[in-house]
Amino acid sequence: AQSVTQLDSHVSVSEGTPVLLRCNYSSSYSPSLFWYVQHPNKGLQLLLKYTSAATLVKGINGFEAEFKKSETSFHLTKPSAHMSDAAEYFCVVSAPTGTASKLTFGTGTRLQVTL
Amino acid sequence: EPEVTQTPSHQVTQMGQEVILRCVPISNHLYFYWYRQILGQKVEFLVSFYNNEISEKSEIFDDQFSVERPDGSNFTLKIRSTKLEDSAMYFCASRGLAGGPNEQFFGPGTRLTVL
Repeated sequence: AQSVTQLDSHVSVSEGTPVLLRCNYSSSYSPSLFWYVQHPNKGLQLLLKYTSAATLVKGINGFEAEFKKSETSFHLTKPSAHMSDAAEYFCVVSAPTGTASKLTFGTGTRLQVTL
Repeated sequence: EPEVTQTPSHQVTQMGQEVILRCVPISNHLYFYWYRQILGQKVEFLVSFYNNEISEKSEIFDDQFSVERPDGSNFTLKIRSTKLEDSAMYFCASRGLAGGPNEQFFGPGTRLTVL
């Protein structure tokens, strides 16, 4: 069984300040982890993925995430928020590479960016 | 860049009617998925499909639901007799070669409204 917990349903930051979106996972095997973003009335776009290679993963638009097995965490960060980052962010877990496994989504964190 | 497409973007139907949601996955992908997102809730897995058969399904995917890959390009989700609670955004996703990375590529979604 696998699950993810997104610790904040809503995060508000000022433009130009750092972003931290928190995610903890639970998995009975070595998981694959993803962050997806959903802009209003849009589909789901992959930001970045962890698949047991480097623990610090860089994604698109300046986002990165660090896989910490000891803390079972996969927090998403960005050094400087931009207005266009305002969206819903989903932390997602999957079974390891090579399976047909489903994705299990967290409940999402809505990021608000203010001037 | 190849992408997953879905039609229609918005479907309105009466309770009890049948609906078919259509998806065209990325052409060389082998795994296909349907997810749904009820307004304000998290994205939920419905079903995965591989080698012309269902590989996994959730409790949501009851006898009212069926999937089909009728012609080698389309991947459809049919709901036989819609209920009010079927109103949601339905996302199709596809994934590439066996043994490769298990990231899934999502379509833009079909918003189903059941009246």
